[in-house]
Amino acid sequence: GAGVSQSPSNKVTEKGKDVELRCDPISGHTALYWYRQSLGQGLEFLIYFQGNSAPDKSGLPSDRFSAERTGGSVSTLTIQRTQQEDSAVYLCASSPKADRGGSPLHFGNGTRLTVT
Amino acid sequence: SQKIEQNSEALNIQEGKTATLTCNYTNYSPAYLQWYRQDPGRGPVFLLLIRENEKEKRKERLKVTFDTTLKQSLFHITASQPADSATYLCATWSSGTYKYIFGTGTRLKVLA
Repeated sequence: GAGVSQSPSNKVTEKGKDVELRCDPISGHTALYWYRQSLGQGLEFLIYFQGNSAPDKSGLPSDRFSAERTGGSVSTLTIQRTQQEDSAVYLCASSPKADRGGSPLHFGNGTRLTVT
Repeated sequence: SQKIEQNSEALNIQEGKTATLTCNYTNYSPAYLQWYRQDPGRGPVFLLLIRENEKEKRKERLKVTFDTTLKQSLFHITASQPADSATYLCATWSSGTYKYIFGTGTRLKVLA
């Protein structure tokens, strides 16, 4: 596809369940980011991938959150034992490279997670 | 800590007027600032980048300025249209890290 694709677009889960969120970046983009956006809040950085490695996991809120990227392409964000405070929109973005030179981020439309 | 701040209050303006949005940064001297547009239910879309050595950058009806003395970037939309209604975010690279930091965004509503 032409853009960043995220699935599912909406996910409702019960507290305590595990969820997996998927991101398909733009082909050839080596940098991949996960952000979280709560209602009325800004974008909160979660994790950054360069290729398959994650040099910066500093934004993951707790050890219930993990992410991986395979083949330098698809990434999965996993939240274990979900809590109500995990409810938010999870956004994935990719970029040709993370060169600190201002390469723009290309965002997907996010997964809206609701924990009941 | 490095911080980007935008006016969180919504900005309502009349169609045809110029909208001006503000992005301030503290504890930081970014090499550039980016501006994004976000519509409800969608991810942000990149609009413009301005570097610290550029005073002004234009793209169609959009104009961005960068004042390193005031530590501020202004984003202007001239001849605004109802279709310009959205939330506008500024962002920059966080020094010493691998992440972009974003402001909370300003919601613009252009009234017909």
